[in-house]
Amino acid sequence: SQKIEQNSEALNIQEGKTATLTCNYTNYSPAYLQWYRQDPGRGPVFLLLIRENEKEKRKERLKVTFDTTLKQSLFHITASQPADSATYLCALSKAGGYNKLIFGAGTRLAVHP
Amino acid sequence: GAVVSQHPSWVICKSGTSVKIECRSLDFQATTMFWYRQFPKQSLMLMATSNEGSKATYEQGVEKDKFLINHASLTLSTLTVTSAHPEDSSFYICSASLGQETYEQYFGPGTRLTVT
Repeated sequence: SQKIEQNSEALNIQEGKTATLTCNYTNYSPAYLQWYRQDPGRGPVFLLLIRENEKEKRKERLKVTFDTTLKQSLFHITASQPADSATYLCALSKAGGYNKLIFGAGTRLAVHP
Repeated sequence: GAVVSQHPSWVICKSGTSVKIECRSLDFQATTMFWYRQFPKQSLMLMATSNEGSKATYEQGVEKDKFLINHASLTLSTLTVTSAHPEDSSFYICSASLGQETYEQYFGPGTRLTVT
């Protein structure tokens, strides 16, 4: 069955550094890969979507890469701030249909001043 | 734009009772809404896809008679947990997409259900 792996250990970094989170998947060929931010007790918030034919996508301090050969996506936050502290979820979907998303368990990021 | 609300934000009920959770798209029409549940430190698990004017599509292992979904309008979907039991205690989250050609989803703030 399909599986999405995100580092279950929290990532602790210093303010101003670049945070890099990893999403690996198996037994799946997604057409789209998305990253969401989730704060405790809240619903996820959409951040970025990247398509299978795209290598990289940027939005302000965020950058996502998508390697369909390695079956991996990297999510970068540059010049990180304490306000970036949250859990970041990776989600996959196929084209067409009702756009069902399959989520990873997420990686918790803590940015320290 | 693309705001989704949920009500209630939390609910405590006794075992055997039913609980209804509402999901509303506030500033857009949502043909399709999704219902998820999430256990602590685990991923969101899709329960069902709710389509306006038709029956919901349930994921494997989700009891459709226990989790009743109604999508009566383009801005409202409801999830009713019938005859709730303590194991139904969870965080329930709904989401909506802007259309079949858009793939990001907009999530509600979630509903914390505790069954005693």
